[in-house]
Amino acid sequence: QSVLTQPPSVSGAPGQRVTISCTGSSSNIGAGYDVHWYQQLPGTAPKLLIYGNSNRPSGVPDRFSGSKSGTSASLAITGLQAEDEADYYCQSYDSSLSGPVFGTGTKVTVL
Amino acid sequence: EVQLVQSGAEVKKPGESLKISCKGSGYSFTTYWIGWVRQMPGKGLEWMGIIYPGDSDTRYSPSFQGQVTISADKSISTAYLQWTSLKASDSAKYYCVRPLRSGYSYGHDAFHIWGQGTMVTVSS
Repeated sequence: QSVLTQPPSVSGAPGQRVTISCTGSSSNIGAGYDVHWYQQLPGTAPKLLIYGNSNRPSGVPDRFSGSKSGTSASLAITGLQAEDEADYYCQSYDSSLSGPVFGTGTKVTVL
Repeated sequence: EVQLVQSGAEVKKPGESLKISCKGSGYSFTTYWIGWVRQMPGKGLEWMGIIYPGDSDTRYSPSFQGQVTISADKSISTAYLQWTSLKASDSAKYYCVRPLRSGYSYGHDAFHIWGQGTMVTVSS
């Protein structure tokens, strides 16, 4: 059972903006640990999308952005495209578990 | 090119043992942690454990402690995930992962490099 909670699904029309929340607690996000985000396209390995709360690795479009506040973090996708249809996971460190934890995952559907 | 290449899919019977591998290339294998992540069919990602090949320091998620063994052979830049007695519930895809940066405390950094995954099916 994950300690980071995400909405099971979000959807939007092409060109719209969608956000995915990642809610944690005082032992992970609220403790100041970084949040990272991954995109998993169908049938493929996850890909790092955002690291250190708001940084994009080389090659990741600036349509993807991350933020963190208190015990939560968010991933925003602006200018939604058909190719963004995938599962998205947040990840942080949890001091109670002494290790990294993943969010429950969110399926993004492009209408 | 930095990459992790995993061994192929496995089909096993309950009670059998298994060791899957993950070979790193294109970087200094001994200076980055390597972790393992489980994804059961249709489910999310679960961190299993991690090893530092430089000194074999190994940490496990409480959920997987005692259930699997993580090891590494730095002479051939390869990490392993091992079971002594498989169960049907071990059926899943397993990914090896490498953090973005060396020198970070384990578990804090993002997982930048992912292997292609190894599908393990356990069925009688």
